[in-house]
Amino acid sequence: EDQVTQSPEALRLQEGESSSLNCSYTVSGLRGLFWYRQDPGKGPEFLFTLYSAGEEKEKERLKATLTKKESFLHITAPKPEDSATYLCAVATSNSGYALNFGKGTSLLVTP
Amino acid sequence: NAGVTQTPKFRVLKTGQSMTLLCAQDMNHEYMYWYRQDPGMGLRLIHYSVGEGTTAKGEVPDGYNVSRLKKQNFLLGLESAAPSQTSVYFCASRIAGGKDTQYFGPGTRLTVL
Repeated sequence: EDQVTQSPEALRLQEGESSSLNCSYTVSGLRGLFWYRQDPGKGPEFLFTLYSAGEEKEKERLKATLTKKESFLHITAPKPEDSATYLCAVATSNSGYALNFGKGTSLLVTP
Repeated sequence: NAGVTQTPKFRVLKTGQSMTLLCAQDMNHEYMYWYRQDPGMGLRLIHYSVGEGTTAKGEVPDGYNVSRLKKQNFLLGLESAAPSQTSVYFCASRIAGGKDTQYFGPGTRLTVL
């Protein structure tokens, strides 16, 4: 059975304090790993897709990386507007047409 | 493009009442999904559809029915609502083949008393 685990559950950073969020996975046949951002009361917003170990993608202050066992979402010099819940999901040979989501990391960036 | 829209945004039901949630997408996506999101549980798949007229069960289908009569619409029905169905419901869609990226709607917050 596919498993996706995100850590930490919650993270509080000061503005400008860089850090990383972790998504570890145990799956059969990874087809893709996805990062979403979710603001309170809103739907998940797509950020990145990673397909193979060693792949990296960047968007503004965010950088996602992928290894054979985990993915990291690096946040460089975060701002308060980066506060949100970040969700990780995988598509695998077991998941068919669906995505298997982790429970998310709630990030709070204070001024 | 509006993307994925959901109707209504909020709803309060009494136990035993029925209702239908509507999802619409204007991206010509073949696949559509219904998820529920509960605190500490993450997003869980209820039902999905890979094309007009087809539906399939996800991880937590009990107590829900779905229909996909038109490509752009995906309906989620609750025939007899229970307090355990209090949740936030999200619809998502994606293109067929290749990329698995799903795009989500804004959600419907449902409370069953």
